[in-house]
Amino acid sequence: DQQVKQNSPSLSVQEGRISILNCDYTNSMFDYFLWYKKYPAEGPTFLISISSIKDKNEDGRFTVFLNKSAKHLSLHIVPSQPGDSAVYFCAASLLTGNQFYFGTGTSLTVIP
Amino acid sequence: GAVVSQHPSRVICKSGTSVKIECRSLDFQATTMFWYRQFPKQSLMLMATSNEGSKATYEQGVEKDKFLINHASLTLSTLTVTSAHPEDSSFYICSARRDRSSYNEQFFGPGTRLTVL
Repeated sequence: DQQVKQNSPSLSVQEGRISILNCDYTNSMFDYFLWYKKYPAEGPTFLISISSIKDKNEDGRFTVFLNKSAKHLSLHIVPSQPGDSAVYFCAASLLTGNQFYFGTGTSLTVIP
Repeated sequence: GAVVSQHPSRVICKSGTSVKIECRSLDFQATTMFWYRQFPKQSLMLMATSNEGSKATYEQGVEKDKFLINHASLTLSTLTVTSAHPEDSSFYICSARRDRSSYNEQFFGPGTRLTVL
């Protein structure tokens, strides 16, 4: 049973515009969420995280929004750059737990 | 810092042979390491949690006799795929949880592409 879902397998945006990647989860016990970026044949690299006590966390061009009531989080990238083209995974866990539950990923293509 | 390395990055082997993959945390200690598997266009699936000095904890459906995990030290965990078959071909990724971290922070290795002929 997929506890974390990314319903858009791919997304294309123009350079300079905003990229919005979405993620939904089913387990209301999750209290820590992360976004990872992954290039082909490489391991995921950490991008940004948010705990459930917040509804927004910002780091440079990247902002993660959390809507606990909707069990939904999103990653905003603005402005998008061609180097942002990669697969983005969201992950959820318990703050002090071990296991990550990953979504299936969204492949972002930023068109120059 | 918080670098995790994996070796080898790519391995091709014949069916029936065993393959060992190493995962090292280079600049931090990791009591707990994790092994994931990723099939094409699918999510990363946790296979097992590797604990230094004790037996690994396997996820449901993962054969512990086929995927042997040894967490020999605070910086090294190994995954051995025994008697590999073509269906074991996949991308294997390890991650390490940094000790003394109050958050579930995991740092991922670059992955190992296993192809079984």
